Amino acid sequence: AQSVTQPDARVTVSEGASLQLRCKYSYSATPYLFWYVQYPRQGLQMLLKYYSGDPVVQGVNGFEAEFSKSDSSFHLRKASVHWSDSAVYFCAVIYQGGRALIFGTGTTVSVSP
Amino acid sequence: GGIITQTPKFLIGQEGQKLTLKCQQNFNHDTMYWYRQDSGKGLRLIYYSITENDLQKGDLSEGYDASREKKSSFSLTVTSAQKNEMAVFLCASSIHQDTQYFGPGTRLLVL
Repeated sequence: AQSVTQPDARVTVSEGASLQLRCKYSYSATPYLFWYVQYPRQGLQMLLKYYSGDPVVQGVNGFEAEFSKSDSSFHLRKASVHWSDSAVYFCAVIYQGGRALIFGTGTTVSVSP
Repeated sequence: GGIITQTPKFLIGQEGQKLTLKCQQNFNHDTMYWYRQDSGKGLRLIYYSITENDLQKGDLSEGYDASREKKSSFSLTVTSAQKNEMAVFLCASSIHQDTQYFGPGTRLLVL
């Protein structure tokens, strides 16, 4: 079955440190790939998306993600986190011919001062 | 820009009760979605609709009905609330497979 795996349920980083969140998908073809963020008591907001082309995509607030076809991955990175980056981050895909997003289980990021 | 509005923000129901959640969008998007969010399980699709009066079941449709009478609105009904059920229901809209925009959610608690 098609699925999205985020292996880290929780990540704690110090303010100013770098952050990487992992995401892997299971599908033979390349899907459309997204990262969403959910701040406390809010809906989801899209950080970035990948459809094709350059495997490194830039998003909002200094986030970027790198697509790897060989690894079936779409990892999210940020060079220097701020306390306001504390949130839940979801990786999601839409497979070819599909309509709805398939989500990973999310990674809760806590940024400590 | 546009906005998605979900009502109510909080919903407390009794076991066996029929409960209705409403969603409105002013993006003029064709496709609308209902997802259920449970702690530690991510979001799972309940229903989606690609146009007015269209309904497509997601993986979690059992126990729910949906209605899309206008392009701008999409309603979800919990047909029989389960005791101790607690979840957040998120509505979203999009143009085809492009970015989905989400509402703030309705938090459900069943006593």
